[in-house]
Amino acid sequence: DQQVKQNSPSLSVQEGRISILNCDYTNSMFDYFLWYKKYPAEGPTFLISISSIKDKNEDGRFTVFLNKSAKHLSLHIVPSQPGDSAVYFCAANKVSGNTGKLIFGQGTTLQVKP
Amino acid sequence: EAEVAQSPRYKITEKSQAVAFWCDPISGHATLYWYRQILGQGPELLVQFQDESVVDDSQLPKDRFSAERLKGVDSTLKIQPAELGDSAMYLCASSLGSSGGPYDTQYFGPGTRLTVL
Repeated sequence: DQQVKQNSPSLSVQEGRISILNCDYTNSMFDYFLWYKKYPAEGPTFLISISSIKDKNEDGRFTVFLNKSAKHLSLHIVPSQPGDSAVYFCAANKVSGNTGKLIFGQGTTLQVKP
Repeated sequence: EAEVAQSPRYKITEKSQAVAFWCDPISGHATLYWYRQILGQGPELLVQFQDESVVDDSQLPKDRFSAERLKGVDSTLKIQPAELGDSAMYLCASSLGSSGGPYDTQYFGPGTRLTVL
């Protein structure tokens, strides 16, 4: 039972263009959604998040959109840069009291070509 | 910049042997997590500590895995005996609080790559 799914294992875009990474979830009770980026030989690093009561959050070149009716979120990177090449994980969080748990998707490998 | 430290970075062992991984979280972080990441999948939570207490170990295979954080600072994850299916990346993360949300950002270490032969 995979509650968070990233159906595209990989994505390749040209430098300067938009990258769109997608994520679907099944549990409507999640409180937050987060994106993490992972470079080879490093641990994941937090990128951006969105509360379940919002539909958009923007931070510089990164924007996350949440469509609750479709149980779908996406990460837009504009413009894409070669340094953005990494594995991107979508994660969902359900808070209970003051404790929460992250559930990660399988990841999407983004390659930005110069 | 403070980082989560993990050792060893790589470990090769034979099945039925015991292995142990160590994690030193960012100073002041009360919450510590151990994740397992199988190739091609996302990290999966094995155990979560709040200070020295286990908050969630529902996905920890307790017949062979154990974890401790005796003084509420660094932590050890042990596997005994190791099985072929345990080959994976073991990631440690820490955060100030335990909500898991953006106000308690989890910071990950570089991980330990385990290969069981």
